[in-house]
Amino acid sequence: RKEVEQDPGPFNVPEGATVAFNCTYSNSASQSFFWYRQDCRKEPKLLMSVYSSGNEDGRFTAQLNRASQYISLLIRDSKLSDSATYLCVVGYSGSARQLTFGSGTQLTVLP
Amino acid sequence: NAGVTQTPKFQVLKTGQSMTLQCAQDMNHNSMYWYRQDPGMGLRLIYYSASEGTTDKGEVPNGYNVSRLNKREFSLRLESAAPSQTSVYFCASSEALRPDTQYFGPGTRLTVL
Repeated sequence: RKEVEQDPGPFNVPEGATVAFNCTYSNSASQSFFWYRQDCRKEPKLLMSVYSSGNEDGRFTAQLNRASQYISLLIRDSKLSDSATYLCVVGYSGSARQLTFGSGTQLTVLP
Repeated sequence: NAGVTQTPKFQVLKTGQSMTLQCAQDMNHNSMYWYRQDPGMGLRLIYYSASEGTTDKGEVPNGYNVSRLNKREFSLRLESAAPSQTSVYFCASSEALRPDTQYFGPGTRLTVL
């Protein structure tokens, strides 16, 4: 079983749609949670951190459910520029070697 | 401010050849990392360096060696390349106190024939 599991997609949605991605992690000792974004043939970039209280950054909302070991990312009013692969990442806070990446969910926003 | 740079961008090797991937960062970060990314798999940590002068194995270190040349530079060496090492290699760096917020270089696409 993978430590971090994501639906690989692809998710194809029209512009303006709301889309949600889910992620589950197996290590209950995980302490830090993130979503990274990776454009085609580019490097991953941090999109946002994820907190138990949930957090929002513009059109993006991330939620963490520690009891269910589940992380989500909601994108509202999708733009063409949101097309990318979204990586769910979990780690031990303060540990350099315990950052585990999911394989990513591919999103294509269609005109 | 270039962030994290990697050379080369692309490389084709024959089985058994050796090569070194170079990485440099200009953000004064203490920690640096080497990952590989294969289709359908998440990034996997090969080696990391928490600070200048130290290196440690990650999840998939076999077949690789690293050198933390100074605070800025962290190189990855393949001594005898194998087809299983065909992958995209990313270097990353982070502040010492925030190792889980990492900044990635543009990657090196390596093919071993």
